[in-house]
Amino acid sequence: LAKTTQPISMDSYEGQEVNITCSHNNIATNDYITWYQQFPSQGPRFIIQGYKTKVTNEVASLFIPADRKSSTLSLPRVSLSDTAVYYCLVGVYNFNKFYFGSGTKLNVKP
Amino acid sequence: EPEVTQTPSHQVTQMGQEVILRCVPISNHLYFYWYRQILGQKVEFLVSFYNNEISEKSEIFDDQFSVERPDGSNFTLKIRSTKLEDSAMYFCASRAGQANTGELFFGEGSRLTVL
Repeated sequence: LAKTTQPISMDSYEGQEVNITCSHNNIATNDYITWYQQFPSQGPRFIIQGYKTKVTNEVASLFIPADRKSSTLSLPRVSLSDTAVYYCLVGVYNFNKFYFGSGTKLNVKP
Repeated sequence: EPEVTQTPSHQVTQMGQEVILRCVPISNHLYFYWYRQILGQKVEFLVSFYNNEISEKSEIFDDQFSVERPDGSNFTLKIRSTKLEDSAMYFCASRAGQANTGELFFGEGSRLTVL
């Protein structure tokens, strides 16, 4: 399984765009990249998933370069309620085993 | 919106006691998971379950742990003889299982405190 590396923490201010990058140098051909959000004392919540290039949904965008060795989660105009831990996961769903990394603790300030 | 439900929300037990944590996955989902999170640490994979048997398990999931789906709706995690280090939040998750759909739906967790 591909190991992921993320910054331990990031600070931002309300209204700013936040980009969190995840490094996954040994990603395999069949691996997908998925991001989750976790608030304190709650279960993780799916944000977005992608394989290559760019994926966008109503809450975030995911940018994946051609070599797929990294990915960037982009959160537009964050608010205080976006303060959470963000996890990047890399894996093949047929193997049914998904490991969370250490995550990035995002702190949004007023 | 359908959700994964877990009971109990909090359980306190004495070391050496057996504990059963219960989960009701989303009804049409095919894959089920248990994760745990020790306070302040990352979410750790324990086990996945598909077609009434364990699909994958981590090195954490030793002989003290077992899972079953006794009645087609509940999905349980049993810890036979709890240790202090089993104190953690335990999360159940389920997944629909369609090709390339990787969304795991997590419950709110069961907090286990072992004294």
